[in-house]
Amino acid sequence: KQEVTQIPAALSVPEGENLVLNCSFTDSAIYNLQWFRQDPGKGLTSLLLIQSSQREQTSGRLNASLDKSSGRSTLYIAASQPGDSATYLCAVRHGGATNKLIFGTGTLLAVQP
Amino acid sequence: GAVVSQHPSRVICKSGTSVKIECRSLDFQATTMFWYRQFPKQSLMLMATSNEGSKATYEQGVEKDKFLINHASLTLSTLTVTSAHPEDSSFYICSAPLAGAALAKNIQYFGAGTRLSVL
Repeated sequence: KQEVTQIPAALSVPEGENLVLNCSFTDSAIYNLQWFRQDPGKGLTSLLLIQSSQREQTSGRLNASLDKSSGRSTLYIAASQPGDSATYLCAVRHGGATNKLIFGTGTLLAVQP
Repeated sequence: GAVVSQHPSRVICKSGTSVKIECRSLDFQATTMFWYRQFPKQSLMLMATSNEGSKATYEQGVEKDKFLINHASLTLSTLTVTSAHPEDSSFYICSAPLAGAALAKNIQYFGAGTRLSVL
C-alpha cells in the first residue's frame, strides 16, 4: 500500500528565505507526482506536476524535483513571501489507467513578514 | 480554464439528517470524478471514484450505504451523506480529471470543498 509522508509537518520562516519541503513515498511505481497548495478551508491549487520520467519542474519561484528510485520529491520555494503561507500537499498517481491520487500528510507553511 | 464547482460550501445540520453535496464540471465533461474527505489538520483521503452511468468505486473502509454517490450526467456527481452523525463532520472535496491528452498528464481540477458540521 502506497504511503506518502511529508516533512516537516509545519514550518515557519521569515520573509525572503529560501525553503525546501520534502515528500517521500513508499512505492516507487508511480505515474507522476504533483504538488498542491491549499489555503485554509479552500480547495486545492495545482502548483507543479512531474512525470515519472522527469527529474524536475520549475514555475516561477517554485522548483520541484523527483527521485523516483529513492521515493523522494522536494519542493523548493525561493525568496518566500507572506502570500506563500498555506498548506502544501504532494500527491502521487500510480501507474495504470486510474487517476487516483494518494496525498501526503501536508506541510503547513507560515511566512512571517 | 476548466472549473469545477462544488456546492454548498458550508452546511450545518442536525444529527440524523442527510446532506447532499454537488460537484459540477462547468466547461468540460467528466466521466470520472473523485470524492475526498479531509479531517482537521490531516491530508485528503480518497473516499470513492464516481463513474458516469455506472456504480461508484469505494475505497476500503468507506461505507457505500453511508456515502451515496450518483453520477447521472457527464457534468454532475453528487455525494449524499445519509443519516449524518458528528463523526461525519469533515471537509469534503471533489475533483474531476480532463479527458484526452490532459488525462494522461493527470490534470485534475478540484472543487472549493464543502465544510460539513453535524451537530
